[in-house]
Amino acid sequence: EPEVTQTPSHQVTQMGQEVILRCVPISNHLYFYWYRQILGQKVEFLVSFYNNEISEKSEIFDDQFSVERPDGSNFTLKIRSTKLEDSAMYFCASSEGTGWSYTFGSGTRLTVV
Amino acid sequence: RKEVEQDPGPFNVPEGATVAFNCTYSNSASQSFFWYRQDCRKEPKLLMSVYSSGNEDGRFTAQLNRASQYISLLIRDSKLSDSATYLCVVSNSGNTPLVFGKGTRLSVIA
Repeated sequence: EPEVTQTPSHQVTQMGQEVILRCVPISNHLYFYWYRQILGQKVEFLVSFYNNEISEKSEIFDDQFSVERPDGSNFTLKIRSTKLEDSAMYFCASSEGTGWSYTFGSGTRLTVV
Repeated sequence: RKEVEQDPGPFNVPEGATVAFNCTYSNSASQSFFWYRQDCRKEPKLLMSVYSSGNEDGRFTAQLNRASQYISLLIRDSKLSDSATYLCVVSNSGNTPLVFGKGTRLSVIA
């Protein structure tokens, strides 16, 4: 079964440092997403990406965040200057098209110290 | 007002029991409804979509009441492997972001 791959599985970084979380969506999928889940909290939407541009973003996705699809396979989330409150599980997801269900990756656990 | 509300549980039930979870959503424009399952520190996985007429998948039955903005999930003949957190998820339509509830934790006990 095709899957969404995320690396690394766990990243520890110092406050103020930049981090890049990487995702390889399913190859024939056209829509890509980042969600995050702070420990003990609900899963929250960050951003959606289609046709090489952001299609929607939440209030959480401020100027410290950016996304990129640098080549035909990777989809990255960059946090420019991490804060303690950025510590969370970050999930990448992709879908084949509008109305199709999502497939989530196994997540990157980001710990900011 | 929370967008998607669920009883956090935990629901502790014996193997073979029937258990029901409920969920309410605040956005009357919501068009798509789902139940996801999330194991501890893992990603959410789609359990089933929820259709207006209600739908069943094996031991799982989902119901939607648009007038009351209420969604339910019934699990029959619970198995130990059903132990997980069940997430109620809605979206406005198609490709709009998924809005998650906080989840209901289920523990099935031998």
